Amino acid sequence: QQQVKQSPQSLIVQKGGISIINCAYENTAFDYFPWYQQFPGKGPALLIAIRPDVSEKKEGRFTISFNKSAKQFSLHIMDSQPGDSATYFCAASKEGRRALTFGSGTRLQVQP
Amino acid sequence: EPEVTQTPSHQVTQMGQEVILRCVPISNHLYFYWYRQILGQKVEFLVSFYNNEISEKSEIFDDQFSVERPDGSNFTLKIRSTKLEDSAMYFCASQRGSGSSYEQYFGPGTRLTVT
Repeated sequence: QQQVKQSPQSLIVQKGGISIINCAYENTAFDYFPWYQQFPGKGPALLIAIRPDVSEKKEGRFTISFNKSAKQFSLHIMDSQPGDSATYFCAASKEGRRALTFGSGTRLQVQP
Repeated sequence: EPEVTQTPSHQVTQMGQEVILRCVPISNHLYFYWYRQILGQKVEFLVSFYNNEISEKSEIFDDQFSVERPDGSNFTLKIRSTKLEDSAMYFCASQRGSGSSYEQYFGPGTRLTVT
């Protein structure tokens, strides 16, 4: 029940295209859903986050869509660029100040 | 921009030895975390620390692990007797924890190699 399931495992997108990564959770106590970007050899960097009181949040080219009833959330990267090539992790936590439960990660490759 | 720092960046140790991984969280942050990531796998929670005590720990965080905030700036993770399976990247994270601030900021990590 603590798991966060992430798909796809890997994704190849052409430059300028839209990258979509999906996550699903079981624990309805989760109330904070961040996305992290990780480059090889680096720590996860917070990209964007959402709470269940809104269905969508947009920051620049990055958008989170949240479906509370389906217990799913997704990351959309618009106008994907080669510099976006990285591993993306979704995560979730309860009460916002507790452990993050991470998804398994999606390796995104944006081809020029 | 303030950031979480970690030392060393890479630690090689022999099985059975003790290691201490160090972190300097962002100043004025109140919650501190350790996570680990085995190569190619997802990030896993180890322990959280608030108000000078452990607030939450995972099944991974057994008796061979301990955490400490020895002064006002450092936050350490000690592994008493390392095992081969402890080889991983260890990330420290900090969180302001006040008001509605939920963001956790991660350091660059320490790569621990146990031989």
